[in-house]
Amino acid sequence: QVRLKESGPRLVQPSQTLSVTCTVSGFSVTSYHVSWVRQPPGKGLEWVGAIWKGGSTDYNSALKSRLSISRDTSKNQVFLKMNSLQTDDTGTYYCAKHSGGYFDYWGQGVMVTVSS
Amino acid sequence: DIVMTQGALPNPVPSGESASITCQSSKSLLHSNGKTYLNWYLQRPGQSPQLLIYWMSTRASGVSDRFSGSGSGTDFTLKISSVEAEDVGVYYCQQFLEYPYTFGAGTKLELK
Repeated sequence: QVRLKESGPRLVQPSQTLSVTCTVSGFSVTSYHVSWVRQPPGKGLEWVGAIWKGGSTDYNSALKSRLSISRDTSKNQVFLKMNSLQTDDTGTYYCAKHSGGYFDYWGQGVMVTVSS
Repeated sequence: DIVMTQGALPNPVPSGESASITCQSSKSLLHSNGKTYLNWYLQRPGQSPQLLIYWMSTRASGVSDRFSGSGSGTDFTLKISSVEAEDVGVYYCQQFLEYPYTFGAGTKLELK
């Protein structure tokens, strides 16, 4: 059974760094790509970036300078780090599994609030 | 970046009626391999998005056959026949031709 679960802090202070973990089961992160998608409260979806099954990464150019996506293959986990957080980075962060040109499984998401 | 533009629904939609949601892309999503990389997702209230349709017209596993996708390289439609209570939520189209994998702004479906 494929599952993805995000975990991380619910509250982050402005200018600090967000660290979110996606723990997957039912598939290997070395066999499928994984993306991060975020959603501000009441708004739409924004693709943040991806880590490909081979380990390379690609980022949304609008966020690239602040982003890092990595993984631990032994734990089947994918990590998102975003620095210099601002209030408009508030939202729900999802990880999603790729399959041939679409996201077939999504995590439940983690709601992150950027506030002092 | 490819811009995805979604149309609105004449909400609320009466239960049992059909509903069509449009989506337009700023660039053709037809790949040289013959696939059109346009996906549809439904986000029910308080839930994560779920895949409905991929490659423009292929229903995802477990998705009701009341949902169908169609279109050309830049203009797409998601049709829901006989709308039910469980169809309420926000529908998003997404292009997967090139990154960033952009989404439409979403179309809300409310039930009458």
